Order: sequence, then structure tokens, then C-alpha cells
Amino acid sequence: RKEVEQDPGPFNVPEGATVAFNCTYSNSASQSFFWYRQDCRKEPKLLMSVYSSGNEDGRFTAQLNRASQYISLLIRDSKLSDSATYLCVVMRPGGSYIPTFGRGTSLIVHP
Amino acid sequence: NAGVTQTPKFQVLKTGQSMTLQCAQDMNHNSMYWYRQDPGMGLRLIYYSASEGTTDKGEVPNGYNVSRLNKREFSLRLESAAPSQTSVYFCASSGEVLAAYNEQFFGPGTRLTVL
Repeated sequence: RKEVEQDPGPFNVPEGATVAFNCTYSNSASQSFFWYRQDCRKEPKLLMSVYSSGNEDGRFTAQLNRASQYISLLIRDSKLSDSATYLCVVMRPGGSYIPTFGRGTSLIVHP
Repeated sequence: NAGVTQTPKFQVLKTGQSMTLQCAQDMNHNSMYWYRQDPGMGLRLIYYSASEGTTDKGEVPNGYNVSRLNKREFSLRLESAAPSQTSVYFCASSGEVLAAYNEQFFGPGTRLTVL
């Protein structure tokens, strides 16, 4: 099992739709989790951190399920500008804080 | 603030040539990283430096060396380039202090082609 796994998609949705991505991780001792967004041919940028209690930022909601070892990202009321690749990042356990990236999930929002 | 800067933006090499990719950050971050990104492979960690004066191997270190020149600068060297090293290289930095929820800030990337 890969350390961090994501469905590569693409997820093709109309504007206004709600879409959700999951990301599974293999190491149960992983300590922190993130979603990054990467636009085509650009660098990744932090979208949101994922906390144990779940967190929300506008149209975006991130959740962590430690028992089943996955994190999720929910996007409500999709915009054309949400089209991008969404990268799941998991920090390895231990004190060195080394991130492991998933391969990313591609989202295409169409009119 | 410039954030994380990388040079060059593009480079074409012939097999066997050497080159150094430069990275600098102005955010007083402790940790710096080098990644490569290939189509369908996501970002893979080549080397990282948790703090000034230390460097460690990541997932795919073979064929690369690094230098943490000072707190701001972290360079990646290809001693003898191979076509398999054709990729987009990203430098990143994080954390004034080491912490689990530090955000990583990325440079714009270097697109390297090895012929």
C-alpha cells in the first residue's frame, strides 16, 4: 500500500456542484495533514490544514478520520476557478516533519 | 517579500553535463526541501534540510547532491545528468520553528530537460 493514495480523477463537475475527494494514508502514527492546490504548471500552495476536529474555510471543508486513516476535502458550490489539482499531504511521525505528497486529484469545473 | 526564489526557470542539458539549481528564501525558515515532479507521479522528496547545517536524503536522492549554504540558501546539484532526471524541480521552505503544522512555501520551479 502506498504511503499516501489519491484517486487521480479527473473529476469533471458543473459549476455549482458539490464534490468530495478522499485521501488515504498508511501510517497510523502520521501526525498532521494538509490539502494543497496546484494550478497547471505552477507551484503548489496551501489550501488548508486538516485538524482532528475538522475545519471549514468558506466553501471548503476538510475532515480527518483517524480510525479509517483518511482525510477528505469537500468543495461546495464549485466555481470555474476551482479547476486545479488537489494534493494531499501527510507528515510522517517523528520530530523531523517530513511531508509525503499524494499524486493529486484533478478537478475540472465546467460551465 | 520575494518568498522562495529559484534559478534558473528553464534549463536544457546534455547527458553527462553537470549543473546546480539555486534556491533562496527570505522568510527566516529553518527547513528547506527539494522535490521533483513528474507526470502522474506527484511530488517526490529528493533531499531536505531540517535546519541550517543539516541535510538528509529523501525518497529519491540518487544522482543528486545538496548544500545548505546558509539559512537562506539550499542548492541542488546534478553531477552527471541523465535523461531520467528530466523533470520539474521545486524548492520549498517551512517553519521559523519546527512544528507539525508548518505550511510549506514553494518556489516557481525549474523545468529541466536532459537530452
